[in-house]
Amino acid sequence: DSGVTQTPKHLITATGQRVTLRCSPRSGDLSVYWYQQSLDQGLQFLIQYYNGEERAKGNILERFSAQQFPDLHSELNLSSLELGDSALYFCASSVGSGVPGQETQYFGPGTRLLVL
Amino acid sequence: AQKVTQAQTEISVVEKEDVTLDCVYETRDTTYYLFWYKQPPSGELVFLIRRNSFDEQNEISGRYSWNFQKSTSSFNFTITASQVVDSAVYFCALTYGGATNKLIFGTGTLLAVQP
Repeated sequence: DSGVTQTPKHLITATGQRVTLRCSPRSGDLSVYWYQQSLDQGLQFLIQYYNGEERAKGNILERFSAQQFPDLHSELNLSSLELGDSALYFCASSVGSGVPGQETQYFGPGTRLLVL
Repeated sequence: AQKVTQAQTEISVVEKEDVTLDCVYETRDTTYYLFWYKQPPSGELVFLIRRNSFDEQNEISGRYSWNFQKSTSSFNFTITASQVVDSAVYFCALTYGGATNKLIFGTGTLLAVQP
């Protein structure tokens, strides 16, 4: 158990809908990351937050947004869902020491999203 | 550009065989970090090891060992005396000294250990 929790574990929804994925980082970790794992794209970095502020953006669609709250949990919002958004969405957390690159990211169990 | 290549898509071995998973990386940065993660059939990503670019010492942890060679830009992972529980997808990943810790993953190697 990495200490990172994600809810829900599974989500089935329809095209055009909006969903929210939730992540609680390990105790004491300040950085949260979101990744998408799909068959055609593999594991792709979406976005990183550090202590409530956006730190870096990757291949995140404009239909997707995220935030990190004062209690450090994070939410990933996916809207106007398309079939191609079906994927496993991971949240990860790290200490957030401020030294880029060197931190180990610990991953949550993922949320499996199926868009029908 | 930063890139991680895992050329082996699938490997099948029989229990107790040794197996090596290859990882080749590309980066222009002199400071970078390499990782291996395991994704068992249950789906979670489990951290195995982190290695920085200044430390080329090989590492052994039980049946697992890692060979880091800067000269060939490789960070290979060997499982000795494989077991059925080792069956998983293994990902090699890279971070570098930019403004972020984002992980750049390889495409993964599916290891199937047959009893």
